[in-house]
Amino acid sequence: NAGVMQNPRHLVRRRGQEARLRCSPMKGHSHVYWYRQLPEEGLKFMVYLQKENIIDESGMPKERFSAEFPKEGPSILRIQQVVRGDSAAYFCASSATGLDQPQHFGDGTRLSIL
Amino acid sequence: GESVGLHLPTLSVQEGDNSIINCAYSNSASDYFIWYKQESGKGPQFIIDIRSNMDKRQGQRVTVLLNKTVKHLSLQIAATQPGDSAVYFCAELGTGANSKLTFGKGITLSVRP
Repeated sequence: NAGVMQNPRHLVRRRGQEARLRCSPMKGHSHVYWYRQLPEEGLKFMVYLQKENIIDESGMPKERFSAEFPKEGPSILRIQQVVRGDSAAYFCASSATGLDQPQHFGDGTRLSIL
Repeated sequence: GESVGLHLPTLSVQEGDNSIINCAYSNSASDYFIWYKQESGKGPQFIIDIRSNMDKRQGQRVTVLLNKTVKHLSLQIAATQPGDSAVYFCAELGTGANSKLTFGKGITLSVRP
């Protein structure tokens, strides 16, 4: 009965480096969503993926950010050439079917950029 | 643009009292709403959801009310406990191909012993 698993929980990078955030959805869930949260703010949608397909990436910056959800393995959110403004908590959620079902969240990755 | 907002940033209640957390939404086309609870250092935890064809739904100690006329959503927590202290978010899902879950900014519930 493992929930959504994210790792690492904390990630520190220097400006210009790459950050890779991983998310394993709940067992049986094939829909994955990534959100970003700044301190004392709500979550902002970034991208919605379903096994091997990007369904909606309208919330993700066009440059430096990418996401994938391969047939095997976890979903990956990748941020290239990180900048200080990328510092935030990144949350992954999964659902069994589509958007009209509850999304269950992991405990996030706190990304800090030095 | 679309927005989901909460009326008050913080709410302080006495342990044992009932809590009511309110949320206003602006997208009249939204048809699915969820309340989440977020504790410090953790991810949002699903509490309860409601669809637009309902105006009330009850769970264990929690009730969600939906008033589509004034686009208002509320979460009622009965007999509030210290463990209920957290930040609460309402979220809405619009209709259409590009719909996505939109979160409000959150309200902090503080339970006084």
